[in-house]
Amino acid sequence: DTAVSQTPKYLVTQMGNDKSIKCEQNLGHDTMYWYKQDSKKFLKIMFSYNNKELIINETVPNRFSPKSPDKAHLNLHINSLELGDSAVYFCASSPTPGSSSGELFFGEGSRLTVL
Amino acid sequence: GESVGLHLPTLSVQEGDNSIINCAYSNSASDYFIWYKQESGKGPQFIIDIRSNMDKRQGQRVTVLLNKTVKHLSLQIAATQPGDSAVYFCAENRSGAGSYQLTFGKGTKLSVIP
Repeated sequence: DTAVSQTPKYLVTQMGNDKSIKCEQNLGHDTMYWYKQDSKKFLKIMFSYNNKELIINETVPNRFSPKSPDKAHLNLHINSLELGDSAVYFCASSPTPGSSSGELFFGEGSRLTVL
Repeated sequence: GESVGLHLPTLSVQEGDNSIINCAYSNSASDYFIWYKQESGKGPQFIIDIRSNMDKRQGQRVTVLLNKTVKHLSLQIAATQPGDSAVYFCAENRSGAGSYQLTFGKGTKLSVIP
């Protein structure tokens, strides 16, 4: 029944490793997002995809590579993890922009800790 | 850069009192302003929005006020309850082709004292 689900919820790994976070939404939305929330709770957009096409790509190191196999999935792969990558990563989805305000539906987050 | 911010990082209120959370923004081109609530260990959840051509909107126990003259947004919560304890974010939205472009403020932590 979960609308936006992301796995894993917790991820602890060593510096230099490669890891992935998966996200799936069953809301039928066309657009999906990845946000990063730092230790001060600041939320910042990383990427957005609409129907598998990249729309927003903020200034994010190219070690981060999103992949959208279909419009219900948006996975995040991170290469060569660094200490500064430690954060909570949120996946979200929304309908394609139209007349609504821009309500995003967020997953519960994936807490990444890089040691 | 960041264009949305908050005046108060923390707010403690007595249960039953009203809460007011403030937010300042700098971009006048936004279409909508939105408030999100984030409970501990969960993702942000939409509370209420206001279109840029309005100055007030009411929901259930919540009211959002928009003052475009001073670029100020506030969220008022009536009869605050323990379940209202959370971090509250304001966000501005500029719709782009294919994707919303939300910019979030820093967040205010609301603690409700029983």
